[in-house]
Amino acid sequence: DTGVSQDPRHKITKRGQNVTFRCDPISEHNRLYWYRQTLGQGPEFLTYFQNEAQLEKSRLLSDRFSAERPKGSFSTLEIQRTEQGDSAMYLCAVGGVTEAFFGQGTRLTVV
Amino acid sequence: GQQLNQSPQSMFIQEGEDVSMNCTSSSIFNTWLWYKQDPGEGPVLLIALYKAGELTSNGRLTAQFGITRKDSFLNISASIPSDVGIYFCAGQLGETSGSRLTFGEGTQLTVNP
Repeated sequence: DTGVSQDPRHKITKRGQNVTFRCDPISEHNRLYWYRQTLGQGPEFLTYFQNEAQLEKSRLLSDRFSAERPKGSFSTLEIQRTEQGDSAMYLCAVGGVTEAFFGQGTRLTVV
Repeated sequence: GQQLNQSPQSMFIQEGEDVSMNCTSSSIFNTWLWYKQDPGEGPVLLIALYKAGELTSNGRLTAQFGITRKDSFLNISASIPSDVGIYFCAGQLGETSGSRLTFGEGTQLTVNP
C-alpha cells in the first residue's frame, strides 16, 4: 500500500484529445507532487501543491498542462490537445519536507 | 539544472552476490533517497539519508550520504531474485526548492538464480 491511489492506471488516447488523471492520497498529506517518467529515465518533477495552493511548476509543464487540488486532498492533472511526446508514466507523490511516497502511476499512450 | 549521474546503468549478477551502485551530483543536496521501481509500478522508497556521512541500513540494504553532500551509494548484500528491478537515487535541495526531487537515470539490476 503506497498510500496514494491513481486513476486510471492506463490510458490510450488519440493525438489532439484531452485527458485527465486523478490522484487520491489515502491519508492526509499537506504536500502533493506530480512527476513524469519516460521510458528509460528517472521521474521528472512537474508541479507541487502545499494543501490547495500550487506553489511550483516545472518548465516541463507547458500551457497544455494544468493541475488542481481544489480541497487540498485529491488532485487532477489535465493535458489538453495531447501530443505523441506526452506519452509517459505520470506519477503522483505525497510526503513531508524530505520524503516522497509515490502512487502506482498512470501510463499514458498517445497514438 | 541539477543532474544526477547514476552508475552503473545495468548490472547482471548471480543470486547471493553483493551489489554496489552509486550516484554523484554537481550540486550539493540536503537529502538523498534511494527508490526501487518494478515494471509498471511507481517507485518505492527504500532508504532516506539526511546528514552528510550518514550510513543507514534497511535489512540487506545499506546506503551512505557522502561527506561532500554530492554523492551517495547503495549496497545490497546477498542478492535474491526479488531484488530485480530499477534502482533510482534522488536528491533533494530542501525547503527552498519546494522539496522537489531530482532523480538519477536508474540502475537496472538483474539477478540470475
